[in-house]
Amino acid sequence: GAGVSQSPSNKVTEKGKDVELRCDPISGHTALYWYRQSLGQGLEFLIYFQGNSAPDKSGLPSDRFSAERTGGSVSTLTIQRTQQEDSAVYLCASSGPDRVSPLHFGNGTRLTVT
Amino acid sequence: QQQVKQSPQSLIVQKGGISIINCAYENTAFDYFPWYQQFPGKGPALLIAIRPDVSEKKEGRFTISFNKSAKQFSLHIMDSQPGDSATYFCAASRLSNAGNMLTFGGGTRLMVKP
Repeated sequence: GAGVSQSPSNKVTEKGKDVELRCDPISGHTALYWYRQSLGQGLEFLIYFQGNSAPDKSGLPSDRFSAERTGGSVSTLTIQRTQQEDSAVYLCASSGPDRVSPLHFGNGTRLTVT
Repeated sequence: QQQVKQSPQSLIVQKGGISIINCAYENTAFDYFPWYQQFPGKGPALLIAIRPDVSEKKEGRFTISFNKSAKQFSLHIMDSQPGDSATYFCAASRLSNAGNMLTFGGGTRLMVKP
């Protein structure tokens, strides 16, 4: 079946502009996660959605970052007034309802802020 | 606070050799320890995972060793192949009915020389 789909795959934007990154999770997956991967670094947790529960936003680095998940499916990560330090690969993952359901990652959106 | 520390950052192994990557965690509430493999331009993919009720898990050439008292776990890749060249991430989570939010280590870039 289809995996997690992210768009765009690459995004170049000017400092100060807003950007929206999209994630289409695997159908039927109830949980959706956003992570950020800076060059040569590990994965930094950003935000987590589970079903209809309130999202866990504890990883968002500043109030310029926000995310929503519509209809329990597609998610959009928005970064307002982008800064150069926002340049990274933004990864989305989804997982099924089982407690040990593995995270399935998309290929990410590479964001470059100039 | 870095809850999962991974070493080494990079590793070069000859074909046929054993690759060993180590991780240490701080949160004793963690009860799920997966390893993810990431190829360039792709998202991470689950390789193998272990729960703390066992000390070792083997799948093909890949083995996780787990030491609960030392709060450490490691990945061993036997008979390493050039196709194993990738970045490896250890991770940890506390499983709950609310999902499986992973905390990742910093990653190890493995190169297997032919």
